[in-house]
Amino acid sequence: GEDVEQSLFLSVREGDSSVINCTYTDSSSTYLYWYKQEPGAGLQLLTYIFSNMDMKQDQRLTVLLNKKDKHLSLRIADTQTGDSAIYFCAESLRSSASKIIFGSGTRLSIRP
Amino acid sequence: GAVVSQHPSRVICKSGTSVKIECRSLDFQATTMFWYRQFPKQSLMLMATSNEGSKATYEQGVEKDKFLINHASLTLSTLTVTSAHPEDSSFYICSGLSGELNNYGYTFGSGTRLTVV
Repeated sequence: GEDVEQSLFLSVREGDSSVINCTYTDSSSTYLYWYKQEPGAGLQLLTYIFSNMDMKQDQRLTVLLNKKDKHLSLRIADTQTGDSAIYFCAESLRSSASKIIFGSGTRLSIRP
Repeated sequence: GAVVSQHPSRVICKSGTSVKIECRSLDFQATTMFWYRQFPKQSLMLMATSNEGSKATYEQGVEKDKFLINHASLTLSTLTVTSAHPEDSSFYICSGLSGELNNYGYTFGSGTRLTVV
């Protein structure tokens, strides 16, 4: 079945790196995404990775994909207070055209 | 970039009334619109998928007569919660997809917080 799992909480000191992890079960994923949601707001696409890639870097964000283990991670370098939000991992499936499945979200909190 | 404008952002209604939520794609044509529901501190649950000019496809367990979806044009989709009850209180988010934007072109609205009293 389709399932995307994340840990619920992560607390990081300001200036450190944050690493948010995600596992998924469907091997037919085409794209994998990271979205950010601030309180009371919609979702903002942070970055995405195609399933045949291992890594993607975009400024402070680094996405690592281990397709064998079905593991995706998002690393935020030099974490700032403005990074406090819920981060959702999501996958789109080859088997279900255009449909994307979201993880439960990881709430990132920044401590001074 | 692509923008989806969602209104209203917040609405409070009485039990038994209906509420309409609108999502407009401002600078692209949303051939497909997805409607999600999010409970507090939970993930997004897909409710239905609508393609312009055709009937929406609802996910299992979602009442199509209660959550009416209209996608009459490439720039406007609406979700109407009919005969609302307190258990319908939730955060509703739409997401537009354009074929031109390929598979990563999902643009989300800012969400609507519905409270039924």
